[in-house]
Amino acid sequence: EVQLVESGGGWVQPGGSLRLSCAASGFIFSDYSMNWVRQAPGKGLEWASYISSSSSAIYYADSVKGRFTISRDNANNSLYLQMNSLRAEDTAVYYCARDGDLGVGSFDYWGQGTLVTVSS
Amino acid sequence: SYVLTQPPSVSVAPGQTARITCGGNNIGSKSVHWYLQKPGQAPVLVVYDDSDRPSGIPERFSGSNSGNTATLTISRVEAGDEADYYCQVWDNSSDHWVFGGGTKLTVL
Repeated sequence: EVQLVESGGGWVQPGGSLRLSCAASGFIFSDYSMNWVRQAPGKGLEWASYISSSSSAIYYADSVKGRFTISRDNANNSLYLQMNSLRAEDTAVYYCARDGDLGVGSFDYWGQGTLVTVSS
Repeated sequence: SYVLTQPPSVSVAPGQTARITCGGNNIGSKSVHWYLQKPGQAPVLVVYDDSDRPSGIPERFSGSNSGNTATLTISRVEAGDEADYYCQVWDNSSDHWVFGGGTKLTVL
């Protein structure tokens, strides 16, 4: 069974940093590209970042570029999101999502999310 | 950047057909994916590549895509279909994934 479990969320002051993790199991992690998608309270989904299976391709949404860094450890089946210079507008539930086998890059599995709150 | 436009809400009576649109410039040339999200839960893929269904998704869910509009159609709507629905595409001009703003489906 495919499982994605996020961790690392919490409360942080503006300007602070957090590192999110996503532990993957039930599939060959190194075969799949991965994404971070976020959702501010009461708002819609916003794609944040993408990393290819070998980390050779990395993309960021304009809203996080230069502040967030996506990475992965295929040996340990883990995905990460280093978030620096956090702002109030970064407050959201952060989901990791697998770029799956179905079609042109649909997200076939999602974690349950981890909440990041940026507030003074 | 590429923009996807969805109606904020759609209402339908049980047993009727719901149609949720997703508008974008020449979206018919892109592959559109659809997700549903119930309160407090993670999104679930219900249609990929315009009109294909993942295993386990009822045949009542279907999709189409042409011109500037993609459409998710839910036939014989049930109370359990009440959720937020999002469309998604890959914008290859910016190397960004893009989600629509979401549509809240209400079953009357």
